[in-house]
Amino acid sequence: GQQVQQSPASLVLQEGENAELQCNFSTSLNSMQWFYQRPEGSLVSLFYNPSGTKQSGRLTSTTVIKERRSSLHISSSQITDSGTYLCAMEPDNNNRIFFGDGTQLVVKP
Amino acid sequence: NAGVIQTPRHKVTGKGQEATLWCEPISGHSAVFWYRQTIVQGLEFLTYFRNQAPIDDSGMPKERFSAQMPNQSHSTLKIQSTQPQDSAVYLCASSHSHSGNTLYFGEGSRLIVV
Repeated sequence: GQQVQQSPASLVLQEGENAELQCNFSTSLNSMQWFYQRPEGSLVSLFYNPSGTKQSGRLTSTTVIKERRSSLHISSSQITDSGTYLCAMEPDNNNRIFFGDGTQLVVKP
Repeated sequence: NAGVIQTPRHKVTGKGQEATLWCEPISGHSAVFWYRQTIVQGLEFLTYFRNQAPIDDSGMPKERFSAQMPNQSHSTLKIQSTQPQDSAVYLCASSHSHSGNTLYFGEGSRLIVV
């Protein structure tokens, strides 16, 4: 959606390389989340991160509210990281949750 | 915790027929959301319920789509007189509340209208 801009749209990595995915928001936000969508379509929540930095294994999410952006860092990428990464935000003046168009990640051996 | 359960996983329906999709949210979650995903439009918000009450259905196509949540354990999305452009993956999600909590998604119902 237009309220959420994700970049890059697609990314190809060699196994072991790092990746930085970005999400920019057009409005101030109440909350934001990162999701991973498996190739077969199921969505998995990675982070609920309205502000600050959170880490889980090789994944790190950083949200800077004032700058209306969030990033997802994947270190030492693995083939199984391949899929689509989506960010979603809830504006502070709206009940809806808006999704970005996603980043399609392919990790090659 | 079985997660959000959606049925059917796949449905093929003829143009003009009705399709009903079911969602069972995670027990104890008070908010249920419906989204539709296509390659062209991405993830589109359709509607959401809080404590079984419809809160925001502004994403629903008005004429043929309806959603209900008759009890806390399931919600339905009904599409009447299906059209080929309704073909999509319909995703249901639940959370502890409508705001400020992680969304948990079901695996989706893939609808194909031929």
